[in-house]
Amino acid sequence: EVQLVESGGGLIQPGGSLRLSCAASGFTFSSYAMSWVRQAPGKGLEWVSAISGSGGSTDYADSVKGRFTISRDNSKKTLYLQMNSLRAEDTAVYYCAKGRITISNNWFDPWGQGTLVTVSS
Amino acid sequence: DIQMTQSPSTLSAFVGDRVTITCRASQSINNYLNWYQQKPGKAPKLLIYAASSLQSGVPSRFSGSGSGTDFTLTISSLQPEDFAIYYCQQSYSTPWTFGQGTKVEIK
Repeated sequence: EVQLVESGGGLIQPGGSLRLSCAASGFTFSSYAMSWVRQAPGKGLEWVSAISGSGGSTDYADSVKGRFTISRDNSKKTLYLQMNSLRAEDTAVYYCAKGRITISNNWFDPWGQGTLVTVSS
Repeated sequence: DIQMTQSPSTLSAFVGDRVTITCRASQSINNYLNWYQQKPGKAPKLLIYAASSLQSGVPSRFSGSGSGTDFTLTISSLQPEDFAIYYCQQSYSTPWTFGQGTKVEIK
């Protein structure tokens, strides 16, 4: 069974940094693109970033470009999201999600349970 | 960016009703359209990918259709466990974008 478990969320002050992790199991992790998708409280879904299976290709939403960095360690079957210069509008539940073999034209299945990031002073 | 617009925003229906949700893209996205179901406090779940392909394990009462800019998700006979929020998502080009969601409520 495919399983994704996020960790690393919490309360952080504006301007601070946080690193999220997503531990994967049940599939050949290195073969699949992975994404982060977030959901602000009571709001809809926003794709944040994606990374290819090898880690050699990445993409970001404009809202996080230059502040967030996606990476992966295929030996540890773990996906990361380094978040710097955090803003109040980054407050959200962050989900990791498994993509397709190619980084193009991705749908997300399955999703992890999510980890809450709250940016507030 | 490609904008995705769902209608209606809220839908009230009885158990057993046939329900249709519409999603419109701001430009043609071929068939790169996916549908998700989200229940309160839970992660979204993929229902339909590539406009009309049913994800494994999803009941056959769910179906998707459309291409270009206009798409629909149909639930042929609404069940109690189907009350949730439904989102469409375009995977034609990044940034991949979602519709604002359609909440299906009990009437």
